[in-house]
Amino acid sequence: SQTIHQWPATLVQPVGSPLSLECTVEGTSNPNLYWYRQAAGRGLQLLFYSIGIDQISSEVPQNLSASRPQDRQFILSSKKLLLSDSGFYLCAWNFQGTAYGYTFGSGTRLTVV
Amino acid sequence: GQSLEQPSEVTAVEGAIVQINCTYQTSGFYGLSWYQQHDGGAPTFLSYNGLDGLEETGRFSSFLSRSDSYGYLLLQELQMKDSASYFCAVRGDDKIIFGKGTRLHILP
Repeated sequence: SQTIHQWPATLVQPVGSPLSLECTVEGTSNPNLYWYRQAAGRGLQLLFYSIGIDQISSEVPQNLSASRPQDRQFILSSKKLLLSDSGFYLCAWNFQGTAYGYTFGSGTRLTVV
Repeated sequence: GQSLEQPSEVTAVEGAIVQINCTYQTSGFYGLSWYQQHDGGAPTFLSYNGLDGLEETGRFSSFLSRSDSYGYLLLQELQMKDSASYFCAVRGDDKIIFGKGTRLHILP
């Protein structure tokens, strides 16, 4: 069976500090991978999605970036965090070529102070 | 542009039935999904409709009408643990677009 791992679960970072969130999927190959952000009490905002290694699409221009150095690894980064980057970050995957639903990681709650 | 509309909040009584509607406007359509999210948790997949009609999974059912660009999630025999946010999501092109979510409040 497939599993998705996301870490860390919580993070408190000062403004201007760097960020690295990691997500890995096990039990499948060539998944679609996604990063979402959810502000408190709000919907899900798609940040990045990837259909393959080094194939990243950005949905929202901002100071975040994503990378996919391996087939089942997806990393969300920032060089300098802003207060507005606070939120609940979710990694998700689904099968290539399918309209079926996502499986989400457990999320990272980021607070920028 | 692409958009999904669903009510922001719905209130129902324990043991009752509630319906959460979702209308969508997307370029391309490859299915409608529903997700449940409890406070502090990640969304979990509930159901998927690729074709018109009703899909039933236990107390939850989901309906799709592609000609009306409309779907709904039906929750029966409501329990307090069903208090959560519910998101509809539509697959278009290479990604899935989410609605803003419906907060379901359940009264005892």
